Amino acid sequence: EVELVESGGGFVQPGGSLRLSCAASGFTFSTYEMNWVRQAPGKGLEWVSYISPSGNSMYYADSVKGRFTISRDNAKRSLYLQMNSLRAEDTAVYYCARIGGGCSYNGCYGYWGQGTLVTVSP
Amino acid sequence: EIVMTQSPVTLSVSPGERATLSCRASQSVSSNLAWYQQKPGQAPRLLIYGASTRATGVPARFSGSGSETEFTLTISSLQSEDFAIYYCQQYNNWPPDDTFGPGTKVDVK
Repeated sequence: EVELVESGGGFVQPGGSLRLSCAASGFTFSTYEMNWVRQAPGKGLEWVSYISPSGNSMYYADSVKGRFTISRDNAKRSLYLQMNSLRAEDTAVYYCARIGGGCSYNGCYGYWGQGTLVTVSP
Repeated sequence: EIVMTQSPVTLSVSPGERATLSCRASQSVSSNLAWYQQKPGQAPRLLIYGASTRATGVPARFSGSGSETEFTLTISSLQSEDFAIYYCQQYNNWPPDDTFGPGTKVDVK
């Protein structure tokens, strides 16, 4: 069974840093593209970042470009999001997500973790 | 950036009734459109991809249609477990720049 478990969320002051992790199990992690998607409290969903299976290609939403870095460790079956220069508007639940549900295109997020809450506040 | 809009914001429906949700893209996304269901405190659940293909395990009462810029999610006979927020999402571009609609809340009439 596919399982994605995020961790690393918490409270941080504006300008601070935080590193999120997503532990994957139940599938061959090294063969799948992975993404981070976030959701501000009471708001909608926002795609944040993508990483290729090898880790050689990464893409970011304009709202986080230059501040966030996505990475992965295939040996540890883990996905990461290093978040620097955090702002109040980065406050959100952060989900790691993978294709699934029968869809083979990146963007059809059939598997999601339970999310980890990041709160940026003075 | 492709902007997704959804209507209505809230849809009040009685159990057993039909619900029709709309999603519009600011430019063509072909059929690269997904629908998700989200309940309070839970992660989103993929319902539809490719505009009209039900994801694995999704009941047949959920159906999707449309292409290019206009899309519809229909729930043929609402069950109690279907009251939730529904989001559409386009995944048409590469490099990825997925965007989601603001959501439609389906609640009990």
